Amino acid sequence: DAGITQSPRYKITETGRQVTLMCHQTWSHSYMFWYRQDLGHGLRLIYYSAAADITDKGEVPDGYVVSRSKTENFPLTLESATRSQTSVYFCAFRTSGGAGEQFFGPGTRLTVL
Amino acid sequence: GIQVEQSPPDLILQEGANSTLRCNFSDSVNNLQWFHQNPWGQLINLFYIPSGTKQNGRLSATTVATERYSLLYISSSQTTDSGVYFCAVNTNAGKSTFGDGTTLTVKP
Repeated sequence: DAGITQSPRYKITETGRQVTLMCHQTWSHSYMFWYRQDLGHGLRLIYYSAAADITDKGEVPDGYVVSRSKTENFPLTLESATRSQTSVYFCAFRTSGGAGEQFFGPGTRLTVL
Repeated sequence: GIQVEQSPPDLILQEGANSTLRCNFSDSVNNLQWFHQNPWGQLINLFYIPSGTKQNGRLSATTVATERYSLLYISSSQTTDSGVYFCAVNTNAGKSTFGDGTTLTVKP
């Protein structure tokens, strides 16, 4: 157990609905990340955060919103879900500021109908 | 941005065989990690290896940062080694770029 949890683990929703995926770390690491993994591919960075109230876009940010009011939580919101957002979403933190090792949560499998 | 290429994309082995997985990257990196994604989708940390060589049981990894590549060695493979192996490089601001992975299948 790396000390990072995600909820829900599975979610089915419909096109156009708002969905929020939760991520919580039991530590107080500064850097946290959201990735998506599409079938048969590697992970692509959606958003990341260097500290509470500091967030920045990754490689594929369109259609997503993040916030980080507390260091330990980093929720990801799909404002109006689309079928192309069907994916597995992974949250992660990095130790030692921006230079350390990255640890991942168990993932959330999201299906948009 | 930085490009990360992993080879081979797929690898099928008999139990007990050895294998070498490669990760090439196109620019200087601050660090590099190897992960194993098991058949249940969980990402397991294998090595944090910006440079040099590390070993953990049957697995070892070598990163030659000046030549922009890393190798993951698996010896005496077991069926439980099956899954996808990813390398991820970190360039700045803590962000990582992942390769597309090597899918390993170990047959009994």
